[in-house]
Amino acid sequence: SQQGEEDPQALSIQEGENATMNCSYKTSINNLQWYRQNSGRGLVHLILIRSNEREKHSGRLRVTLDTSKKSSSLLITASRAADTASYFCATDRDDKIIFGKGTRLHILP
Amino acid sequence: DTEVTQTPKHLVMGMTNKKSLKCEQHMGHRAMYWYKQKAKKPPELMFVYSYEKLSINESVPSRFSPECPNSSLLNLHLHALQPEDSALYLCASSRDGTADTGELFFGEGSRLTVL
Repeated sequence: SQQGEEDPQALSIQEGENATMNCSYKTSINNLQWYRQNSGRGLVHLILIRSNEREKHSGRLRVTLDTSKKSSSLLITASRAADTASYFCATDRDDKIIFGKGTRLHILP
Repeated sequence: DTEVTQTPKHLVMGMTNKKSLKCEQHMGHRAMYWYKQKAKKPPELMFVYSYEKLSINESVPSRFSPECPNSSLLNLHLHALQPEDSALYLCASSRDGTADTGELFFGEGSRLTVL
């Protein structure tokens, strides 16, 4: 069962532009995480934001969390070809980490 | 590079075969996970082991049998699978398996094809 729902499902942007992905979830959470997956590979953890935090930065990544709206956004600034991947938000529920449907990001040269 | 190692990377098996997927981590993590991922879908949780005990089974069919021989190893035994079980099977670990689980470390996955 899915907890998170990302939008858009797919996103194509020019290299150098910023990419924004959104995630909505249904139940209360302890934290929300974002992961990246290159085609057919394992997932790589990008960033974790706790329920009492509103914004977090890591390099070119900026994550926001609005618990009142049960939503989060991931911003990737100055995109690069290597950012082409699927991005998933993940929330914890009953000691489980549940992944959203994901956004497929394609960076155009 | 991942610190969670999965073998084999690829596996093709018939519906009557018995095979196993293996996962190993040496980060001292106390929780290990199996996820199943179909093409263009998110990973779906199958099993969670916390401190070598099965803590979560997401109503997975009995043809999938997990085993945690020790805190570093996690196996998934496969028997009498169906073609629809073909997927990427991902192993992950975390520092512990509490409600505030934190970051998951994933292996590269085992690509399973059932003929």
